[in-house]
Amino acid sequence: ETGVTQSPTHLIKTRGQQVTLRCSSQSGHNTVSWYQQALGQGPQFIFQYYREEENGRGNFPPRFSGLQFPNYSSELNVNALELDDSALYLCASSWTGGGAYNEQFFGPGTRLTVL
Amino acid sequence: QKEVEQNSGPLSVPEGAIASLNCTYSDRGSQSFFWYRQYSGKSPELIMFIYSNGDKEDGRFTAQLNKASQYVSLLIRDSQPSDSATYLCAVTGQGAQKLVFGQGTRLTINP
Repeated sequence: ETGVTQSPTHLIKTRGQQVTLRCSSQSGHNTVSWYQQALGQGPQFIFQYYREEENGRGNFPPRFSGLQFPNYSSELNVNALELDDSALYLCASSWTGGGAYNEQFFGPGTRLTVL
Repeated sequence: QKEVEQNSGPLSVPEGAIASLNCTYSDRGSQSFFWYRQYSGKSPELIMFIYSNGDKEDGRFTAQLNKASQYVSLLIRDSQPSDSATYLCAVTGQGAQKLVFGQGTRLTINP
């Protein structure tokens, strides 16, 4: 069983640029959630994807967008980068089914620095 | 009022003692409660979850939930230096899949 993987590990961008982060879910999982973790803070929910559809969104502007693919992998896209977007971006995968909450397992994260 | 609140610490505990971490939440509809451990520069790792009032034990860890008081805690017995990390409390509601995290408590175990 493979765990959650994310790429790239680190990324440096300048203000105004666009970035795409990638996540492969754990084997057997069908749901991917994305979180932003600023330094010294807890992770903040960005959005979740289930069956290739957005299934809930946190308080993030539209320039944060995402995709989920048929193999359940996912992308997070951020347009018009701002300095405050510098953070650790975490992807978490889980199984949605049966109405019960299932634990989310986190990938290693992508450290984004915006200069 | 923040949805999930934790004392940011740092909390210092001598090796072998009991570390007690606390968390309160504002949404009475919250159904599931999680404790994650996060080492510096790493991603969160799930160590305990609890759904029902009372205590749940797993090895050296005990999670305690009191829904009436909207309070959840984590006890770590026989603390080891390797337990030094930031501990994140997270909650979610019925059918909801998003995790709402506190800001984390930084725990240091002193040899």
